[in-house]
Amino acid sequence: AQSVAQPEDQVNVAEGNPLTVKCTYSVSGNPYLFWYVQYPNRGLQFLLKYITGDNLVKGSYGFEAEFNKSQTSFHLKKPSALVSDSALYFCAVSWAAGKLIFGQGTELSVKP
Amino acid sequence: NAGVTQTPKFQVLKTGQSMTLQCAQDMNHNSMYWYRQDPGMGLRLIYYSASEGTTDKGEVPNGYNVSRLNKREFSLRLESAAPSQTSVYFCASIGVRNTEAFFGQGTRLTVV
Repeated sequence: AQSVAQPEDQVNVAEGNPLTVKCTYSVSGNPYLFWYVQYPNRGLQFLLKYITGDNLVKGSYGFEAEFNKSQTSFHLKKPSALVSDSALYFCAVSWAAGKLIFGQGTELSVKP
Repeated sequence: NAGVTQTPKFQVLKTGQSMTLQCAQDMNHNSMYWYRQDPGMGLRLIYYSASEGTTDKGEVPNGYNVSRLNKREFSLRLESAAPSQTSVYFCASIGVRNTEAFFGQGTRLTVV
């Protein structure tokens, strides 16, 4: 069955430090991979996507993610975290059948 | 350009009551989705519609029905609400060329 997993419920980093939010997936065929962010009492906002091509994709607000086919991972990264990055982050995957499914979410907390 | 609009924003139902959540998008997107968000569970796909006239079950379809009324509108119906359906519901749409999803602001439903 197709699935996506975020192994960490919460990630804590200090402002200015690099951050990583992990995501792994299991999809038959070629996946489309996404990261979304959710601020309190809001809908989800798109950050970045991998469809094909360069394994390192850059997105909004200085975030980037690396597609690793052999490890079936798509980790979200940022070189220098901001307090304003604190939010709930979701990894998602879709494929040819048209479904779009999400991971459980990771709460990112950036402390001053 | 409103994007994805969900109504209502809040609703309280008694067990056994029925209601319909409405979703409309003005981006001429083909695919539309309904999700529920529960703490620690992430977003779980209830139903989706890959194109006008088609609907398919997602991960948690039991207790729900959907209607793709036209290309713009995709409604979610709870025929007999149960406390387990207390959740935040999100509608999303995706176009043919845009592979990222656009989300509504959510409907917070409480079943007592």
